[in-house]
Amino acid sequence: NAGVTQTPKFQVLKTGQSMTLQCAQDMNHNSMYWYRQDPGMGLRLIYYSASEGTTDKGEVPNGYNVSRLNKREFSLRLESAAPSQTSVYFCASSEIGTGHSPLHFGNGTRLTVT
Amino acid sequence: GQQVMQIPQYQHVQEGEDFTTYCNSSTTLSNIQWYKQRPGGHPVFLIQLVKSGEVKKQKRLTFQFGEAKKNSSLHITATQTTDVGTYFCSYAGNNRKLIWGLGTSLAVNP
Repeated sequence: NAGVTQTPKFQVLKTGQSMTLQCAQDMNHNSMYWYRQDPGMGLRLIYYSASEGTTDKGEVPNGYNVSRLNKREFSLRLESAAPSQTSVYFCASSEIGTGHSPLHFGNGTRLTVT
Repeated sequence: GQQVMQIPQYQHVQEGEDFTTYCNSSTTLSNIQWYKQRPGGHPVFLIQLVKSGEVKKQKRLTFQFGEAKKNSSLHITATQTTDVGTYFCSYAGNNRKLIWGLGTSLAVNP
């Protein structure tokens, strides 16, 4: 079982460039999430998808867009990267999105914007 | 906004010593989840507590949910170098999204 797969693992962008982070889960989970993790800031929710066909903003959505392509896949797009978006990005999934279902995380994408 | 406080922020112990991290809220929680993140790794779910006064054990790890459901603790007995990492608590907020603590980073001297 692969669980939650994120690509790429590492990425370096120049300011203004765009990119899409890919995430796929094979656990038939309904809910998927994108978090960013910065030193001393813990995990901050960017966007989430409670179920296929729905997406909602988290606490730090500015500068990002998401697409829930199907039940398995949830992508995160940076349209015009900024140095403030240098971070580690984690995709996660859970069976349901009530906050009572354990989250399964991918291995993360380490993004540097210069 | 909703928040949960985790203490301490950092803890440095000698291998074999015990370790405890606390998660405190000003409001009653419906649940607590605990996660561990190894350095350079991703958070991994450890356990969920939902009942008042609940105590669960996983080998050397003991998890407790307070009687008032406003606080929780994770206690590690006789730490090992494999326990190194950051321990996060989280709970279901009013909007059904997980609210995360900032974590407690544990370092273990061999």
